[in-house]
Amino acid sequence: DADVTQTPRNRITKTGKRIMLECSQTKGHDRMYWYRQDPGLGLRLIYYSFDVKDINKGEISDGYSVSRQAQAKFSLSLESAIPNQTALYFCATSVGSGANVLTFGAGSRLTVL
Amino acid sequence: EDKVVQSPLSLVVHEGDTVTLNCSYEVTNFRSLLWYKQEKKAPTFLFMLTSSGIEKKSGRLSSILDKKELFSILNITATQTGDSAVYLCAVRTDKLIFGTGTRLQVFP
Repeated sequence: DADVTQTPRNRITKTGKRIMLECSQTKGHDRMYWYRQDPGLGLRLIYYSFDVKDINKGEISDGYSVSRQAQAKFSLSLESAIPNQTALYFCATSVGSGANVLTFGAGSRLTVL
Repeated sequence: EDKVVQSPLSLVVHEGDTVTLNCSYEVTNFRSLLWYKQEKKAPTFLFMLTSSGIEKKSGRLSSILDKKELFSILNITATQTGDSAVYLCAVRTDKLIFGTGTRLQVFP
């Protein structure tokens, strides 16, 4: 099993629908992140959480919300999806100290029509 | 505003060639620079650099950081088709800032 698991891997939805992307990890890391990747724009940070009671906005949090249900689970929600939220979404984890090297999930490709 | 710029945006070479990928940055509170390789999906970690002038090496890949001139290079010698990927540079401040990546295509 993967250390960082994202579901769903692919999703097509319509404008205005609520979407949740889920992430779970077995690495025991306390820090979790959500990024989106768009062609030519690299990876951009949406939200991050350093522990269960800590949630922080990244550089592009508008239109998104998150929930850290447990140390191992971090979900990303789009309350009312819009076409420019079509992207590849990555969850990542890291330990709380030291190198902070990220371990990424396999990605969730979201298409909003 | 913190930024990380990678060049070239894309590169096409033949097997056996040597390539150099560049990453320059302008950030406050620099802590480290990381290189990732992204093939089909998830980026995978290659190197982390924190000190200038110390080369990190793994097989045919090597990387070095210059904190005075604010850049890093990733070298790949004797390229193989399996090196085809997007190479991402990221700089850690209080968070991780990614460049847009360099797409490398290696043809037989």
